[in-house]
Amino acid sequence: KNEVEQSPQNLTAQEGEFITINCSYSVGISALHWLQQHPGGGIVSLFMLSSGKKKHGRLIATINIQEKHSSLHITASHPRDSAVYICAATRGGSRLTFGEGTQLTVNP
Amino acid sequence: NAGVTQTPKFQVLKTGQSMTLQCAQDMNHNSMYWYRQDPGMGLRLIYYSASEGTTDKGEVPNGYNVSRLNKREFSLRLESAAPSQTSVYFCASSPLGHSNTEAFFGQGTRLTVV
Repeated sequence: KNEVEQSPQNLTAQEGEFITINCSYSVGISALHWLQQHPGGGIVSLFMLSSGKKKHGRLIATINIQEKHSSLHITASHPRDSAVYICAATRGGSRLTFGEGTQLTVNP
Repeated sequence: NAGVTQTPKFQVLKTGQSMTLQCAQDMNHNSMYWYRQDPGMGLRLIYYSASEGTTDKGEVPNGYNVSRLNKREFSLRLESAAPSQTSVYFCASSPLGHSNTEAFFGQGTRLTVV
């Protein structure tokens, strides 16, 4: 079992819908990262959080340390949000453990 | 401001050939990483360099070597390429580890070994 599990693996939404992607991890961590990978392949960091909630534009990331769970929300989704979203956890130091990613498709 | 630059973007190798993937960052980051990404699997760490002058094995180091040439550059070498090394390779950097700061990724190198 992977230490970091994401759900769903694939998600299709209509433009304007509220989207939630979930990430669960099995061990204690010091920080959790949310990344975005566009069809061109490049990976961009969206958030790094160790507690609570962060917001950037239409994106919101939350983490519940006790439940070992994080969520990424996208409000008012748009076709340009179509991408693979990846969560990754660190227990400290230089190692990240990655989830397999969630493929999001937003249709106009 | 280029961020993390990887070269080449695409490469096809024959089994047994060698090559070096280059990575450079212009953000004065201490830590640099090489990952591979395969279908159905999350990114996996090949090697990392926590700071200039140090390198350490990651999760899947077999068949690879690295050099932290200076603070800016971290190269990945395949001495004798194998089809199992067909993958997309990403270089990344961070100011110091992953616990306190976000990571910055290069655009990736798509490598095919035939």
